[in-house]
Amino acid sequence: AQKITQTQPGMFVQEKEAVTLDCTYDTSDPSYGLFWYKQPSSGEMIFLIYQGSYDQQNATEGRYSLNFQKARKSANLVISASQLGDSAMYFCAMRFMINAGGTSYGKLTFGQGTILTVHP
Amino acid sequence: GAVVSQHPSWVICKSGTSVKIECRSLDFQATTMFWYRQFPKQSLMLMATSNEGSKATYEQGVEKDKFLINHASLTLSTLTVTSAHPEDSSFYICSARPLGGNTIYFGEGSWLTVV
Repeated sequence: AQKITQTQPGMFVQEKEAVTLDCTYDTSDPSYGLFWYKQPSSGEMIFLIYQGSYDQQNATEGRYSLNFQKARKSANLVISASQLGDSAMYFCAMRFMINAGGTSYGKLTFGQGTILTVHP
Repeated sequence: GAVVSQHPSWVICKSGTSVKIECRSLDFQATTMFWYRQFPKQSLMLMATSNEGSKATYEQGVEKDKFLINHASLTLSTLTVTSAHPEDSSFYICSARPLGGNTIYFGEGSWLTVV
C-alpha cells in the first residue's frame, strides 16, 4: 500500500534562513510522482514542486528544492531564504497509478502536513 | 500554471437541503478530477475520483448517494451534497491534471457550512 509520512507537525524558522520539511513515502510501484503543496490559511492548495520517480536530478523551482533520496524513500522540501509569506501548512503527496475498470489514472495520497511558521 | 476554479467559495445551507459545488479546469482538459474533503488542520481525504463520461469511483466509507458527482465534460465536474447535515460542514476541494501532464492542480476550495 502507498503511504506518505510527514513527521513534523510544526516547524519554526527565522526569516531569511533555510528550512527543510521532511517527507518519507512507501510504495512498491516503480513509477510514481512526488509533490509538495503549500496551503495558506485561505485554504487554496498551491503547487510548489514535482519530482518523478525516474528523474535523475533533484527538482528545483526558485527558492524551493526537493531533496530526493530514492533509496531512503524520502523527498524533503528545502525552502531557502524564508520569507514571512512562507508561513503556511505544507503537504507532501505521492501520485501512484490506479487501474479500475480498464482505465488507468493517477491518484494522490497526502501526508499529514507540516505547519511552517516564519519569524521576523 | 494551469488554473482550476471552484464555485462557490463559501456556501451556507439549511439542514436537509442540497448544495452543488462546481470544479472547472479553465485552460486545460481533464478526463479525471478528484474531490477531497478537509477538516481543520488535517490532511486532505480523497472522497472520489470523477471520470468524464462515466460513473465516479468512490473511496471506501464515502456515501455515493449522499455525495453525487457528475463529470459532464472535460472541463467540469460537480459535487452535490444531498440532504446536507451539520456534520457535512467542511472544506471541499477538487483537483485536476492536464492531459499528458504530470502536475496536479487544485481549485481554491469551497467552505460548506450546514446550519
